[in-house]
Amino acid sequence: DADVTQTPRNRITKTGKRIMLECSQTKGHDRMYWYRQDPGLGLRLIYYSFDVKDINKGEISDGYSVSRQAQAKFSLSLESAIPNQTALYFCATSEDAGFQYFGPGTRLTVT
Amino acid sequence: GQQLNQSPQSMFIQEGEDVSMNCTSSSIFNTWLWYKQEPGEGPVLLIALYKAGELTSNGRLTAQFGITRKDSFLNISASIPSDVGIYFCAGQPVETSGSRLTFGEGTQLTVNP
Repeated sequence: DADVTQTPRNRITKTGKRIMLECSQTKGHDRMYWYRQDPGLGLRLIYYSFDVKDINKGEISDGYSVSRQAQAKFSLSLESAIPNQTALYFCATSEDAGFQYFGPGTRLTVT
Repeated sequence: GQQLNQSPQSMFIQEGEDVSMNCTSSSIFNTWLWYKQEPGEGPVLLIALYKAGELTSNGRLTAQFGITRKDSFLNISASIPSDVGIYFCAGQPVETSGSRLTFGEGTQLTVNP
């Protein structure tokens, strides 16, 4: 079984709809992250959480919100989706420092 | 914010050739990581570097943490078709708390059989 799972893997939605992307991990890590990937722009950090009670904004948090329901679960929400939020979204986890483990990604299309 | 300049943006090579790509930063990093992303998948860690000057290999891959702590390179020797993918460098700036990483824009590698 995968250590980091994301649901859904693909989603097409309309402008103005509320969308939630979910991430679960079995690695027992405290730290979880949400990234957005656009062609030619690498991975940009949206939000990160160092434990259940700790939520921090990343470099592109506008238009997004998150919820850390448990150590193993970290959800990303788009309250009112817009077309320029069409992208690949990745969840990742890590221990105290160093490298991060990534999920398989969610491809979101906003029409 | 922090920026990582990764080059080249893309490479088209023949099977068997060696490949080299690098990342540079204006800031000092205390960790350098190299990831590979295949189509439809998330990035997977290839090599992690934690000390200036460190040279680490993983099979045909070799990466080095630059002495100035502002750069890193990744070499792939004797490329094969399954090396195709996007390679990302990532680093942890000294002044960033915890394990936040900054990512380069990626190098798209194409290997022709």
